[in-house]
Amino acid sequence: GENVEQHPSTLSVQEGDSAVIKCTYSDSASNYFPWYKQELGKRPQLIIDIRSNVGEKKDQRIAVTLNKTAKHFSLHITETQPEDSAVYFCAINYGGSQGNLIFGKGTKLSVKP
Amino acid sequence: GAVVSQHPSWVICKSGTSVKIECRSLDFQATTMFWYRQFPKQSLMLMATSNEGSKATYEQGVEKDKFLINHASLTLSTLTVTSAHPEDSSFYICSATRDRVNEQFFGPGTRLTVL
Repeated sequence: GENVEQHPSTLSVQEGDSAVIKCTYSDSASNYFPWYKQELGKRPQLIIDIRSNVGEKKDQRIAVTLNKTAKHFSLHITETQPEDSAVYFCAINYGGSQGNLIFGKGTKLSVKP
Repeated sequence: GAVVSQHPSWVICKSGTSVKIECRSLDFQATTMFWYRQFPKQSLMLMATSNEGSKATYEQGVEKDKFLINHASLTLSTLTVTSAHPEDSSFYICSATRDRVNEQFFGPGTRLTVL
């Protein structure tokens, strides 16, 4: 099956600093790249997504960049806050199929006050 | 909009019993529903994909006779863990998609503990 490599697996930052999480993939047909945030024991929540015809998308403190040629995309969180602490998962829609997602292994982000 | 519910939120059962988990899309018709399994501190592992009125498509390594999926309507899918054993203990999460929308909307999950 198609893999999604996500790094780092854990990330600890000081409040106010920026955090960057990167995912690489191999499936050329993927055209949808969402990022999910999951707090302990809760459901994953979509925080931002990007499609292959766009290189960057921003929503307040969160941004996602996509390099389709190099097959990697990154999540950027600026001015981090303690409530940003959670596990973040990237995903791709393998084969370009609608809805079917493969998830990365996740990054546990800890924001220290 | 796009709310997905799951029931029950947690269940404890004895080894050898069967457990049914329901996944409902509350305010939309779900073209496809997905069932995931998540072990502590691990990622979401897709178990199967189901479409209303047709047989579910299981991922490699997932026993279809062990994890029965029924997708009876456009708003309801059920996962039955048959003859549950302690190794089946996990967090089970469903998700659903709407027509022509890539985003998956997740249910709150069901924590299954098999004694």
